[in-house]
Amino acid sequence: NAGVTQTPKFQVLKTGQSMTLQCAQDMNHNSMYWYRQDPGMGLRLIYYSASEGTTDKGEVPNGYNVSRLNKREFSLRLESAAPSQTSVYFCASSPPGSVFYNSPLHFGNGTRLTVT
Amino acid sequence: AQSVTQLDSHVSVSEGTPVLLRCNYSSSYSPSLFWYVQHPNKGLQLLLKYTSAATLVKGINGFEAEFKKSETSFHLTKPSAHMSDAAEYFCVVRNGGSQGNLIFGKGTKLSVKP
Repeated sequence: NAGVTQTPKFQVLKTGQSMTLQCAQDMNHNSMYWYRQDPGMGLRLIYYSASEGTTDKGEVPNGYNVSRLNKREFSLRLESAAPSQTSVYFCASSPPGSVFYNSPLHFGNGTRLTVT
Repeated sequence: AQSVTQLDSHVSVSEGTPVLLRCNYSSSYSPSLFWYVQHPNKGLQLLLKYTSAATLVKGINGFEAEFKKSETSFHLTKPSAHMSDAAEYFCVVRNGGSQGNLIFGKGTKLSVKP
């Protein structure tokens, strides 16, 4: 029972490099999310996808792009990494209809990204 | 607009003593509220949620929280702390707008001393 799987677990980039963070869920959830976690800031939403084929900006979308490849997979891309994007990134998913209702999110274990 | 404030960034208790993690919310809707726990190097796990049913909500691992509308609070409690409870705890309110987002508090780190 894998749940939400994120790859890689750790990554170090140089300023200006690009990379894609991968996320997959095996719970048949419709909605998927990308958050970043910074010390003392809680989690902030970068992008979310309410269903396959749709994506929407969250609180802090600048510098990121996303792709909802299919129902299972939701990737986050940094086109030109900056030191301000050093953070821990979490992918999450939730059951159908939960964008507007009360179902909890299921989180992956995170990707720890450092940009030097 | 919804917001959530966790009143303590760090709480330290001794094993076997009660735990109280405080959370106040602001919401123009009837809110949905959650508590999540994050152990080191792990993702977040749901502890409990309030969705306008009983005001006293019981969660996993002996935690519970009471929704108090008059005080706009949703404090998390546990009668007796265990070493394994050491983690970071997040209070979360659902944004009732079209985005359907969850608004996270900044977290409270719980330390448990032997």
